[in-house]
Amino acid sequence: GAVVSQHPSWVICKSGTSVKIECRSLDFQATTMFWYRQFPKQSLMLMATSNEGSKATYEQGVEKDKFLINHASLTLSTLTVTSAHPEDSSFYICSARDRTDTGELFFGEGSRLTVL
Amino acid sequence: LAKTTQPISMDSYEGQEVNITCSHNNIATNDYITWYQQFPSQGPRFIIQGYKTKVTNEVASLFIPADRKSSTLSLPRVSLSDTAVYYCLVEAGTALIFGKGTTLSVSS
Repeated sequence: GAVVSQHPSWVICKSGTSVKIECRSLDFQATTMFWYRQFPKQSLMLMATSNEGSKATYEQGVEKDKFLINHASLTLSTLTVTSAHPEDSSFYICSARDRTDTGELFFGEGSRLTVL
Repeated sequence: LAKTTQPISMDSYEGQEVNITCSHNNIATNDYITWYQQFPSQGPRFIIQGYKTKVTNEVASLFIPADRKSSTLSLPRVSLSDTAVYYCLVEAGTALIFGKGTTLSVSS
């Protein structure tokens, strides 16, 4: 089946640095990708919708200057956490839908960010 | 977007059938009902999707009544490896909004 891959799976960084997380659809083209954040013992929270070739749409309360999203191609979206702080430590998950199919939404394995 | 309500947690034993019911009173005509499974530190995994009546695949069945205001995920003969969080979502080809999910604990 379709696969969505995230990299890195785990990253530790110092406070104040920026971290980039990649999300790739490996065997299909995704016009739209979604980014979620999940804190321990909580559900996934939608952060933004990433549209290929255009600006991302952010959910209310998500700082667009803090979480930079780029969707440069039909198979790659990146999330950059700028000037990361310990409260940004979380599990970040991306998902993508095959642009030729309006059915199943495929999720990446997730990327754990720990900010010291 | 339609909001979903599920039990916070459920307990079961190996070999039993588990039914998790989700209510979605405000489901729209174009919405599909989709269930996902999530293990700790992993992304959600698709289980099953349906629009109405009954859908069955190799891992689960999904029962949807005529009014579509609820749905029931049925897991036959659960095993320890089915211990996970199960999410019910309704969507119409847009972003998926996750509710709190149901934590299923299977014991031996």
